Amino acid sequence: DTEVTQTPKHLVMGMTNKKSLKCEQHMGHRAMYWYKQKAKKPPELMFVYSYEKLSINESVPSRFSPECPNSSLLNLHLHALQPEDSALYLCASSQETSAITDTQYFGPGTRLTVL
Amino acid sequence: AQKVTQAQTEISVVEKEDVTLDCVYETRDTTYYLFWYKQPPSGELVFLIRRNSFDEQNEISGRYSWNFQKSTSSFNFTITASQVVDSAVYFCALRNYGQNFVFGPGTRLSVLP
Repeated sequence: DTEVTQTPKHLVMGMTNKKSLKCEQHMGHRAMYWYKQKAKKPPELMFVYSYEKLSINESVPSRFSPECPNSSLLNLHLHALQPEDSALYLCASSQETSAITDTQYFGPGTRLTVL
Repeated sequence: AQKVTQAQTEISVVEKEDVTLDCVYETRDTTYYLFWYKQPPSGELVFLIRRNSFDEQNEISGRYSWNFQKSTSSFNFTITASQVVDSAVYFCALRNYGQNFVFGPGTRLSVLP
């Protein structure tokens, strides 16, 4: 059983909609991540939160807005998305970001379709 | 620069066959970690193994085994007596100090009954 949960599993939205993806981890980790994965490609890092502070933003467009309300929760707010943003969005967590031994544990993902 | 290559895009085997997934990495650092993840059709990446650059011992876990060879910068993954449930995309990844994961492009394994 995964200890990183994501909701919803599937999301279909129009280009003018506002929606949010949610992620929760139950492992006491202090680092959380958002990845975007297109079909037949590896995951691409979007954001990293370390101790509830945004530490990395990989030049992601502003229509994606992350939020970390506490060390267990991570949200990704979506607004005015484009069809090319359709992808699998994966959340991950790890003990902390600085240790090279740090292993990331992933949630099941949200499959997003933008019409 | 760090890079991970998985030259096999797709592999098909028949159940009970052994299969090896190749992973070749590039890094200038002497300290680094290598990982393997499995991504079944459900989408979740499942952590399989982590190996540091100073430990070249091979590892076996049930039907899974890993062969790490620094001399060839390879970290290959073998599944013995494959099963249909092994069908998935497998990613090899590299991590250096101060860097995020670098994933390989993945190998899609299909195990046919």
